[in-house]
Formats: sequence, structure tokens, C-alpha cells
Amino acid sequence: GAVVSQHPSRVICKSGTSVKIECRSLDFQATTMFWYRQFPKQSLMLMATSNEGSKATYEQGVEKDKFLINHASLTLSTLTVTSAHPEDSSFYICSAGGRGYGYTFGSGTRLTVV
Amino acid sequence: AQKVTQAQTEISVVEKEDVTLDCVYETRDTTYYLFWYKQPPSGELVFLIRRNSFDEQNEISGRYSWNFQKSTSSFNFTITASQVVDSAVYFCALSEEGGADGLTFGKGTHLIIQP
Repeated sequence: GAVVSQHPSRVICKSGTSVKIECRSLDFQATTMFWYRQFPKQSLMLMATSNEGSKATYEQGVEKDKFLINHASLTLSTLTVTSAHPEDSSFYICSAGGRGYGYTFGSGTRLTVV
Repeated sequence: AQKVTQAQTEISVVEKEDVTLDCVYETRDTTYYLFWYKQPPSGELVFLIRRNSFDEQNEISGRYSWNFQKSTSSFNFTITASQVVDSAVYFCALSEEGGADGLTFGKGTHLIIQP
């Protein structure tokens, strides 16, 4: 079946630095990828939709300048958290696919900003 | 706007009991898709089922079964003869045909199966 690989699984960074999270589709081409954020004991919230070769579409309330998304190829989408602060500490998870045929999720990245 | 409600925040049962997780959704679209995912403590999301709005057939997969009722906008999930390994957070999710292609998740139900 379809596999989405997400790295790193855990990252700790200092406040003010940037962190890049990668999401790769291993055995299929993903024209669209989705990025979600999950705070502890809460639900997953869609942050943005990443489209290969074009700008990402951000959900209301998500700062596009803080969460930079790049989808330069059909198998790779990256999320960069810029100038991270402790309130950005969260679980970030990507997925590929669509409603018509299902979504495959990465294993998630637990970001801790200290 | 689409919305998914999982009113049960936490459920605790003893192993071998049957348990039902409720999911109620709201949507204006006539075409939509409903999903259930399992999230164990490790965090990854495990796909359980996908159902489109035109298929109201109930489904059974081993100990798992799903009851989709459009009349009450519900898509409930039942685990029969629960096992400790079923302990996890379960999310119900919705995607509308006319909306963004991503998922709207419910708040999740934390299921605890006690030995």
C-alpha cells in the first residue's frame, strides 16, 4: 500500500530557530499533501494544503510566513517552522491522497521548542 | 461549514466488553466522505474505514463494525469483544466534496480497555 515517510519523528530546538519537517511519498506520486497540527490531548487541525508546483493554501488563522510549505516535487513536501517559539511545540503530521481514494498519513513529528 | 462531534471524551471498559464510539457530523454537501482513524500512543494515524455519503451499508471487519445513518447524521463505530490492544484515541473525520480536500476531525474518543 501507499507509504508516506515523515522525518524527523522528534525534534527539540531552541526558541528563535527554524525547523524543517519532510514528508515523502515513497511509492506513489502525491500532487497534494496536507499538513496538520495536533496539540496534546486535542484533535488534529488542518493547517494547509500543499500543491506540487504551486503555492500552498493555508487555513484561516495559520500564519503563512511562519509555517513555510514547499512542494517542489511529486514526492516531497516540506514544512518549515520559522522562528519557532514554545507555543509552536506540537505534533505535526502530513498526509497525501484525497477524499476520493483515501488519505495516507506520515508517522508525525513531535516538535518541542525550548 | 462542516463539523464532526465526538461527544465521548473518554470511555473505559473491561476487556471483552463491546463498546460503541459515537460520531455525529454536520455538512451542507450531499456528497461527502466519512473516516475513522485509530491513534495509538505512538502518534501515528491508523486508517480504519472510509465511507462515502451514497453508501449507507453497514460494514463489519472482524471485531469492528460501523453503522452509518444519514437520517441522524451519525457514523458510529463498535468494537466487539474489546481487547487491551484496542486502547487508543479514535477519531472520526469528514471531507466535503465541495470543500477543501483535507479532513475535518472530531475531538477524538480516548478508549481505555482494562484487562
